Amino acid sequence: GAGVSQSPRYKVAKRGQDVALRCDPISGHVSLFWYQQALGQGPEFLTYFQNEAQLDKSGLPSDRFFAERPEGSVSTLKIQRTQQEDSAVYLCASSLEVTAGSNEQFFGPGTRLTVL
Amino acid sequence: AQSVTQLGSHVSVSEGALVLLRCNYSSSVPPYLFWYVQYPNQGLQLLLKYTSAATLVKGINGFEAEFKKSETSFHLTKPSAHMSDAAEYFCAVSIYSSASKIIFGSGTRLSIRP
Repeated sequence: GAGVSQSPRYKVAKRGQDVALRCDPISGHVSLFWYQQALGQGPEFLTYFQNEAQLDKSGLPSDRFFAERPEGSVSTLKIQRTQQEDSAVYLCASSLEVTAGSNEQFFGPGTRLTVL
Repeated sequence: AQSVTQLGSHVSVSEGALVLLRCNYSSSVPPYLFWYVQYPNQGLQLLLKYTSAATLVKGINGFEAEFKKSETSFHLTKPSAHMSDAAEYFCAVSIYSSASKIIFGSGTRLSIRP
């Protein structure tokens, strides 16, 4: 596609509900990243995939957060038993590959999650 | 560990005036450095990046930044501000390559006065 797309753009959940956020990376991009951006803050790294392999999940804040990319393209970030502190914008980014010098990450518009 | 510090959470300049957004980084290895811009309800857009080539980096929309190793700085400048430059700006650092995990600063909101 023309760019990274994310859905839904907005999600309101009641505390305790599970949510699933989708990311469609740019076609052919090997690497995919998830970031969390709290209100008034810079994005913070959550996790990284190279193709279908999750190579780094050091930024996931708790075991309620789970990400997958089963076929190496579309990725889903799942949050179980949502809490109010999970309210944030979740950004997805993709790039051609990690090791190829000056490749750039392209960001999607984000999903704004509000937990009531 | 890598980190960036952006000095000033909000900067206001007059239209036509110089824009200067400050960023200092910390890295134990040669870093890759970036400036991103975020307009309301939009994703992050890369303005420019430093990848150990020229220390003065020119980006889109007339912005440029200079890598100063001695000062561990990567300040963003633009000679003449336009109203359309009003947005949130993030300085960021990465290692290994410019497509690996990015560490962002907390952002600087740029306002332009008519």
